[in-house]
Amino acid sequence: EVQLVESGGGLVKPGGSLRLSCAASGFTFSSYPMNWIRQAPGKGLEWVSSITTTDGFIYYADSVRGRFTVSRDNAKNSLFLQMNSLRAEDTAVYYCARDLGASNYYFDYWGRGTLVTVSS
Amino acid sequence: EIVMTQSPATLSVSPGERATLSCRASQSVSRYLAWYQKKPGQAPRLLIYGASSRATGIPARFSGSGSGTEFTLTISSLQSEDFAVYYCQQYNNWPPFTFGQGTRLEIK
Repeated sequence: EVQLVESGGGLVKPGGSLRLSCAASGFTFSSYPMNWIRQAPGKGLEWVSSITTTDGFIYYADSVRGRFTVSRDNAKNSLFLQMNSLRAEDTAVYYCARDLGASNYYFDYWGRGTLVTVSS
Repeated sequence: EIVMTQSPATLSVSPGERATLSCRASQSVSRYLAWYQKKPGQAPRLLIYGASSRATGIPARFSGSGSGTEFTLTISSLQSEDFAVYYCQQYNNWPPFTFGQGTRLEIK
């Protein structure tokens, strides 16, 4: 069974940093591109970042580029999101999600999310 | 960036009836369109990909149609567990992947 479990969320002050993790199981993690997607309170879904299978290509939303860094450790079946210079508008539930790549860039499995709250 | 617009924002339907949700893209996305169901406190669930292909385990009452800029998600004979928020997402032209703002399907 495919499972994605996020962790690392919490309360942080504006300008602070946080590192999110996503532990994957039930599939060959190294074979799949991975993504971070967020949902601010009362808002819709917003794609944040994507990373291909071997870090060859990394993409960011304009809203986080230069502040967030995505990475993965295929040996540990883990995805990460380093979030720096956090702002109030980064407050959201952050989900990791898998896509199938090769033009199939839809998200077939998601985790349950981890809440990040940026507030003084 | 391709803008996805969903309508209506809220749809009130009685159990057992049909629900029709719309999604429009600001430019053609061919058939690279997915639909997701989102319930509070739960992970989003993939329903439809490729505009009309049902994901694994999705009941046949869910169907998708459309291409280019106009898409529809139809849920025939609504069940109690279908009341949720539904999102469309384009994956034809990225980054960024873009989602619609969602349609809330509520019990009438």
